[in-house]
Amino acid sequence: GAVVSQHPSWVICKSGTSVKIECRSLDFQATTMFWYRQFPKQSLMLMATSNEGSKATYEQGVEKDKFLINHASLTLSTLTVTSAHPEDSSFYICSAKPGQGTDTQYFGPGTRLTVL
Amino acid sequence: AQSVTQLDSHVSVSEGTPVLLRCNYSSSYSPSLFWYVQHPNKGLQLLLKYTSAATLVKGINGFEAEFKKSETSFHLTKPSAHMSDAAEYFCVVTPVQGAQKLVFGQGTRLTINP
Repeated sequence: GAVVSQHPSWVICKSGTSVKIECRSLDFQATTMFWYRQFPKQSLMLMATSNEGSKATYEQGVEKDKFLINHASLTLSTLTVTSAHPEDSSFYICSAKPGQGTDTQYFGPGTRLTVL
Repeated sequence: AQSVTQLDSHVSVSEGTPVLLRCNYSSSYSPSLFWYVQHPNKGLQLLLKYTSAATLVKGINGFEAEFKKSETSFHLTKPSAHMSDAAEYFCVVTPVQGAQKLVFGQGTRLTINP
């Protein structure tokens, strides 16, 4: 149980285009989902916290207009990287919490974004 | 402020020998503590979690961790390393049990020598 999927697993796009990444909780409902960014050989950096039906809360230094997050249902959150540039190339990982009564997060397999 | 320090950025052991990955934390409250494992180009998998029920926590794949409040430590151990254990390991804390955000350590890369 507690499986989280991400799609796509990797994507290559041209500079200036937008890319959407999906995060789904497959066997539980997630009122809260999180988006992380990971640079090579580094730890995870929290980008934003996404609550179903409300606006995402972004961490300091993360541009909300560039990284659009939508959490339209209890099983789906999306991250759209708008007007992508090479410096946005990274590994993006989402996680989900199965309800309010736990602080355990279950992570997706990640999405490798390469911007040319 | 809450923080997590993983004392070794890289640990290398021989297959069949014990594994010790060290983690110290600071928290003003009663934290939840986690160990996650990340294989190359993969997401994170939960190995184990401490909440307060027992100081010795058993996880998956033969891993366990002991919570020592006096030492503010939560070291991860395994009696006998397997080649498949080679991965990146993250010690993680929530400042307060039930908190939204996780605080990550910098990670320890575990290498297994044949």
